Amino acid sequence: ETGVTQTPRHLVMGMTNKKSLKCEQHLGHNAMYWYKQSAKKPLELMFVYNFKEQTENNSVPSRFSPECPNSSHLFLHLHTLQPEDSALYLCASSQGAWGNTEAFFGQGTRLTVV
Amino acid sequence: SQQGEEDPQALSIQEGENATMNCSYKTSINNLQWYRQNSGRGLVHLILIRSNEREKHSGRLRVTLDTSKKSSSLLITASRAADTASYFCAAPTGNQFYFGTGTSLTVIP
Repeated sequence: ETGVTQTPRHLVMGMTNKKSLKCEQHLGHNAMYWYKQSAKKPLELMFVYNFKEQTENNSVPSRFSPECPNSSHLFLHLHTLQPEDSALYLCASSQGAWGNTEAFFGQGTRLTVV
Repeated sequence: SQQGEEDPQALSIQEGENATMNCSYKTSINNLQWYRQNSGRGLVHLILIRSNEREKHSGRLRVTLDTSKKSSSLLITASRAADTASYFCAAPTGNQFYFGTGTSLTVIP
């Protein structure tokens, strides 16, 4: 148990559906991250939030929409996804967004787009 | 862009042997971190080494850092079947943690 909880653990959705991934941390961290992990590819950093403000958006398609209502919660809203978006989506948090300390990861949401 | 890149991509050893994985990075860092991931799960932090350190130990783990070569290595001594996992390095820069594709380690009982 890392203190970062992601729900759901598994999600199957059609290309026309709208769904949301949730991440919650009770570590008092200021920074939260979304990563995408596809087979045989490096982890892709998608979004970074620091004190609820989005500080990085690494050219992620608009069909992925993040939301950070407070420092403890992070959402990833999904709509009109493509089959190539099927992947493991990982949330992480850290104390500060400057890479001076370790990142704590959730268990991930395995997303399948059909 | 990819800041941490691990080598080899896959490694298979017998239980009890040592496993060595390498990491190269591109830009200046203030620390380098190693993580472990069991299949289909989240990453777990193993060890952090700061740029002014050359070597660090944690249990059966030994990490070295060579900032002149922009490289690091992770040594797992006396490996166990439970060490089977993927291992990633991350060289945080600024606001971001970037990871590579990892080294997939298989320890055969």
